Amino acid sequence: KNEVEQSPQNLTAQEGEFITINCSYSVGISALHWLQQHPGGGIVSLFMLSSGKKKHGRLIATINIQEKHSSLHITASHPRDSAVYICAVKTQGNLIFGKGTKLSVKP
Amino acid sequence: DSGVTQTPKHLITATGQRVTLRCSPRSGDLSVYWYQQSLDQGLQFLIQYYNGEERAKGNILERFSAQQFPDLHSELNLSSLELGDSALYFCASSAQGTGADTQYFGPGTRLTVL
Repeated sequence: KNEVEQSPQNLTAQEGEFITINCSYSVGISALHWLQQHPGGGIVSLFMLSSGKKKHGRLIATINIQEKHSSLHITASHPRDSAVYICAVKTQGNLIFGKGTKLSVKP
Repeated sequence: DSGVTQTPKHLITATGQRVTLRCSPRSGDLSVYWYQQSLDQGLQFLIQYYNGEERAKGNILERFSAQQFPDLHSELNLSSLELGDSALYFCASSAQGTGADTQYFGPGTRLTVL
């Protein structure tokens, strides 16, 4: 079993839909990152969380430390949100990555 | 543009060869991270430097080595290359290097080993 599990692996949505991507982890962490990887390969850091909730534009990230679970929400999704979303957790001296969720938003 | 630069963008080489990948961090960032992304393994952390010193080590093979220079740029050296080393290699930088601060990723170097 991977230490960081993301679901779903693939997600197709219609423009305007509310999207949720989940990340569960089995190790002790000091922080959790959400990354976005564009179709061209570039990676952008979206959020870094150690507790609670963060919001940036249409993106919201939450973390529940007790349940070892984080969610990334996208409100009013748009085709430009199509990308791979990757969860990564910071453990002692290491970053462990999930396999990513491939999101495709259709117009 | 993240402010992190990586060269070269693409590299094609043969098995058994040695290559050097270069990364320049964002201005003011002291920490550099190296990651490997292959189709079957996803993203994997290789190694981290902070202000010239190795700070953390991940799944880095003995054939691979890295260093961070006084001007804070970093190089990742890959030797005795194998077909399985073909991957995207990303460098990222951050200000404090705690792993809990925002990392800024470079555009990556795509390595193809033939």
